Amino acid sequence: DGGITQSPKYLFRKEGQNVTLSCEQNLNHDAMYWYRQDPGQGLRLIYYSQIVNDFQKGDIAEGYSVSREKKESFPLTVTSAQKNPTAFYLCASSIEFVGSYTEAFFGQGTRLTVV
Amino acid sequence: AQSVSQHNHHVILSEAASLELGCNYSYGGTVNLFWYVQYPGQHLQLLLKYFSGDPLVKGIKGFEAEFIKSKFSFNLRKPSVQWSDTAEYFCAVSGTGRRALTFGSGTRLQVQP
Repeated sequence: DGGITQSPKYLFRKEGQNVTLSCEQNLNHDAMYWYRQDPGQGLRLIYYSQIVNDFQKGDIAEGYSVSREKKESFPLTVTSAQKNPTAFYLCASSIEFVGSYTEAFFGQGTRLTVV
Repeated sequence: AQSVSQHNHHVILSEAASLELGCNYSYGGTVNLFWYVQYPGQHLQLLLKYFSGDPLVKGIKGFEAEFIKSKFSFNLRKPSVQWSDTAEYFCAVSGTGRRALTFGSGTRLQVQP
């Protein structure tokens, strides 16, 4: 089955620790995205990548980092610099940038809780 | 910068009632418009999309939306809702100047049997 796999589904982190969220897609999509979802705020863009070895900051990139070493993988690291990391994180992909008449497909999400 | 406003944060309807969820966007160029739905415990999925052409767009599960360029709106409608439509609905926009989706804050729809 083609799709986007995010792991783990639930993640607990102690304050001051970095944590990496996994996102893998087998749709052969060029573009990938990370969003953060908080109640009442919708989805906010953290980082996005058009192609391997290239990525851009979104609206709320502070305290996060990404890499895009392989087409199918776009891991997100939540660093200790992120002030309020507890949230639901969604990964998405599209054939090419969504501005090019394409839609985005989403993974199941990872719920991160800082304890 | 582009933005999306969804004015209805929480809507409660009885089954068979008609639904209209508002969505207004702010963007200066050519836009692509989307409605996504998130059912409880499920991943975000596409309801419908508008790229160009007929401004009345039909999607899955009996939903439709109308793009009114002069009003910068893309409201979602369904003539008769079902209990299974209980979910959170997100309007989103993309354009040539913004290479990713911008989402509204979402509308939580609760349909009572």
